[in-house]
Amino acid sequence: GAVVSQHPSWVICKSGTSVKIECRSLDFQATTMFWYRQFPKQSLMLMATSNEGSKATYEQGVEKDKFLINHASLTLSTLTVTSAHPEDSSFYICSATTGYNYGYTFGSGTRLTVV
Amino acid sequence: GQQVMQIPQYQHVQEGEDFTTYCNSSTTLSNIQWYKQRPGGHPVFLIQLVKSGEVKKQKRLTFQFGEAKKNSSLHITATQTTDVGTYFCAESEKAQKLVFGQGTRLTINP
Repeated sequence: GAVVSQHPSWVICKSGTSVKIECRSLDFQATTMFWYRQFPKQSLMLMATSNEGSKATYEQGVEKDKFLINHASLTLSTLTVTSAHPEDSSFYICSATTGYNYGYTFGSGTRLTVV
Repeated sequence: GQQVMQIPQYQHVQEGEDFTTYCNSSTTLSNIQWYKQRPGGHPVFLIQLVKSGEVKKQKRLTFQFGEAKKNSSLHITATQTTDVGTYFCAESEKAQKLVFGQGTRLTINP
């Protein structure tokens, strides 16, 4: 089945620094990947849709200058949290699908803690 | 925009009891997908329903899609401790924007 690899699994960083999270589709090509954020005991909130070769589409309320998304190839999307602050601490998860009528495969997630 | 309401938010049962979670939408859904997220884990795809009135089973899990395609349910028969986790319904349109319900967190007393 489709596999999505995400790393790092967890990261602790200081306020003001930037953190890059990678999401790779291992056995399929993903022209579109999705980035979610999940706070404790809450649902997954879509942050942005990452499109290979073009700009990401951000959901309302998500700062595009703070959450930089790059989808440079058909198998790799990256999310960079710039100038991180403690309120950015969350569980970030990427996902992709092999096509319509198929479920979405999620990466294992990245737990970000900003101190 | 899309909005799928899911209830209950929490459910605690004794092992062996049944469990059901419900999703409702004010608009017609193109499809409904169900995911399970174990504590500390990531969502795992369970199933997709597309047709009006569709019913699918996976061992002790039964998934239903309403006739009007505005609601769906997941029923687990005789829960086991391995069923612990949060169950989400979600809708996607043409491999775009998967929108999740709030999720139902299931805990089980062994």
